[in-house]
Amino acid sequence: NAGVTQTPKFRVLKTGQSMTLLCAQDMNHEYMYWYRQDPGMGLRLIHYSVGEGTTAKGEVPDGYNVSRLKKQNFLLGLESAAPSQTSVYFCASSYSVGGTDTQYFGPGTRLTVL
Amino acid sequence: GQQVMQIPQYQHVQEGEDFTTYCNSSTTLSNIQWYKQRPGGHPVFLIQLVKSGEVKKQKRLTFQFGEAKKNSSLHITATQTTDVGTYFCAGGTSYGKLTFGQGTILTVHP
Repeated sequence: NAGVTQTPKFRVLKTGQSMTLLCAQDMNHEYMYWYRQDPGMGLRLIHYSVGEGTTAKGEVPDGYNVSRLKKQNFLLGLESAAPSQTSVYFCASSYSVGGTDTQYFGPGTRLTVL
Repeated sequence: GQQVMQIPQYQHVQEGEDFTTYCNSSTTLSNIQWYKQRPGGHPVFLIQLVKSGEVKKQKRLTFQFGEAKKNSSLHITATQTTDVGTYFCAGGTSYGKLTFGQGTILTVHP
C-alpha cells in the first residue's frame, strides 16, 4: 500500500496563477483533510471531507476550494494564488471521524507564491 | 473555538538529557493524539490517549493525559539524536474535530 500520496511535491507560482494539488489514498478511508503548515503555527485545517461528494470548511478555508469526486481522491485548488499562501500543504486521511481516529499524512507539497 | 496550546516552541538538549513538552486545551477533550514530524518529513502518529489520568509508555517516551482531560505531556528520557524533530499534540473531540498544537521543535546535540 502506498498510503497517502500527494502531487506535486514542489511548486512555484506567480501571484494570480491557479493550481490544483492532488491527494490520493489507497486505504479506503472515508475522511480526508487538507492542512497547511507554517512556522510557529502548527497544522491548520483548510477543508475536509467526510465522504465522497461531501466537503466542509475548516479553520482557514479562504482562498481555497476542494472537491471529492472519488472516495480515494481529494483535490485542493487555489484559484488566484497569493504570497500569503506560501506554505507546506499536507493531506491526511482517517478511517473514521478525525477527532477520534488516527490521521495518516501524505509527504506534503511545498508551495511558494512569488 | 477550541484552542490547543503547546509549550515550549523550541527545546535544545544535549544527548542523554530528558525532554518534556506540554499541551493544554481550552476545552475538555475526548482524546489526545501525539504526532512526530522529522525534519523535512510529514507528521506520523505516535499514540492516542483516551482515559482521564491515562499514562502510556513507548520505550523511552512517556505520555500522560490529565485528570480533567484538558492537558497532556510527552516526556522523553535520555534523548538520542534520532529523537530530533517536531512533536505535535492534537486534541480530539467526539464530534470529529482534531485541533493541533503549534508543536515543539526538539534539537539534540551529540
